[in-house]
Amino acid sequence: GAVVSQHPSRVICKSGTSVKIECRSLDFQATTMFWYRQFPKQSLMLMATSNEGSKATYEQGVEKDKFLINHASLTLSTLTVTSAHPEDSSFYICSAMGSGFGSNQPQHFGDGTRLSIL
Amino acid sequence: QKEVEQDPGPLSVPEGAIVSLNCTYSNSAFQYFMWYRQYSRKGPELLMYTYSSGNKEDGRFTAQVDKSSKYISLFIRDSQPSDSATYLCAMSYSSASKIIFGSGTRLSIRP
Repeated sequence: GAVVSQHPSRVICKSGTSVKIECRSLDFQATTMFWYRQFPKQSLMLMATSNEGSKATYEQGVEKDKFLINHASLTLSTLTVTSAHPEDSSFYICSAMGSGFGSNQPQHFGDGTRLSIL
Repeated sequence: QKEVEQDPGPLSVPEGAIVSLNCTYSNSAFQYFMWYRQYSRKGPELLMYTYSSGNKEDGRFTAQVDKSSKYISLFIRDSQPSDSATYLCAMSYSSASKIIFGSGTRLSIRP
């Protein structure tokens, strides 16, 4: 159980393109979803936290107009990288935390999206 | 000082050895402690999840939390080449709060 699906797994596009990444919880309802960014050989850095039906909370230094997050349902959150530039190239990973499994449940992660901006 | 410190390795051990991975942290308010395994180009996979101090065992994996020393450990018994991955310690203040990750330790198990 607790499967999180992230799509696409790999994106290569030109500078200036906007890219949308989807994160779905397949077998549970995700009340909270998290978006992380990971550079090579570094740890995960939290970008934002989104709760279903409300605005995302962004970490300090993360541009909310650059990284648009939508969490419209209990099973889907999307991250849109607007007007992407080469410095936005990174590994983006989502995670989800659900309800219905009792309290004190950890986050479960998707397999990440490798974004390369040319 | 980082909130969570983890030796990045790499750590290389022969197959069958016992592996010990560790993290230290500075904030005594952390209550939930996790270990994730991450294969190359994949998302982190939850291995162990513990609340407060104590030990937890799951198959070949044992997690230990010593809150008095602000020190957590993951032991892997009878290590296998398939255990080769990056291991991330993580912790949070509550079950609903954000997770703070260590930098990860790269582990290689030699056949």
